[in-house]
Amino acid sequence: DAGVTQSPTHLIKTRGQQVTLRCSPKSGHDTVSWYQQALGQGPQFIFQYYEEEERQRGNFPDRFSGHQFPNYSSELNVNALLLGDSALYLCASKETGLAGGTDTQYFGPGTRLTVL
Amino acid sequence: AQTVTQSQPEMSVQEAETVTLSCTYDTSESDYYLFWYKQPPSRQMILVIRQEAYKQQNATENRFSVNFQKAAKSFSLKISDSQLGDAAMYFCAYRSLTNAGKSTFGDGTTLTVKP
Repeated sequence: DAGVTQSPTHLIKTRGQQVTLRCSPKSGHDTVSWYQQALGQGPQFIFQYYEEEERQRGNFPDRFSGHQFPNYSSELNVNALLLGDSALYLCASKETGLAGGTDTQYFGPGTRLTVL
Repeated sequence: AQTVTQSQPEMSVQEAETVTLSCTYDTSESDYYLFWYKQPPSRQMILVIRQEAYKQQNATENRFSVNFQKAAKSFSLKISDSQLGDAAMYFCAYRSLTNAGKSTFGDGTTLTVKP
């Protein structure tokens, strides 16, 4: 049973460009969250997708957008890249139960984005 | 807004000994979840242990246990019989029941295990 997978592993872009990161959730999971982890810091919540809709959003600008597909996989898009967007981007998936918060979140290995 | 503070950027422990990592949090909610995650140099974030705030009993998973002090808003992780494979960055995280999508993380503690 594959866990959460992310692609690509590493990515180098220049300022002003756009990037798309991809995430496939763990089998049986229907909810995907994205986090940004700057070097030496804890992950910061970007947003969460469930039933192909953005359900919650953290304190990130509109340059960060996402999508969830019918097979529950997800994409994170970042437009007009800034040097400060350089970070490890983590995807996490879970199965949304009736209580919503009782289920365990599983993380992918992340995509390392470098903006030059 | 909830905040999570890990006051120990780095900790070290001798192999086979015990170490405790500290975490404090701030919230106005009464029901929530607390987590400890381990992130080895390979980057994959792994759940170590979970505590439900409504449970008074401290969670335990093999060599890992927590000391959950709800009134003090403290949630420390104790690692017993430390092994070389325990070396990693450890993150404390908070998740609300009502705002279940978002987990708030501390900035982590780097644990070194000395042979």
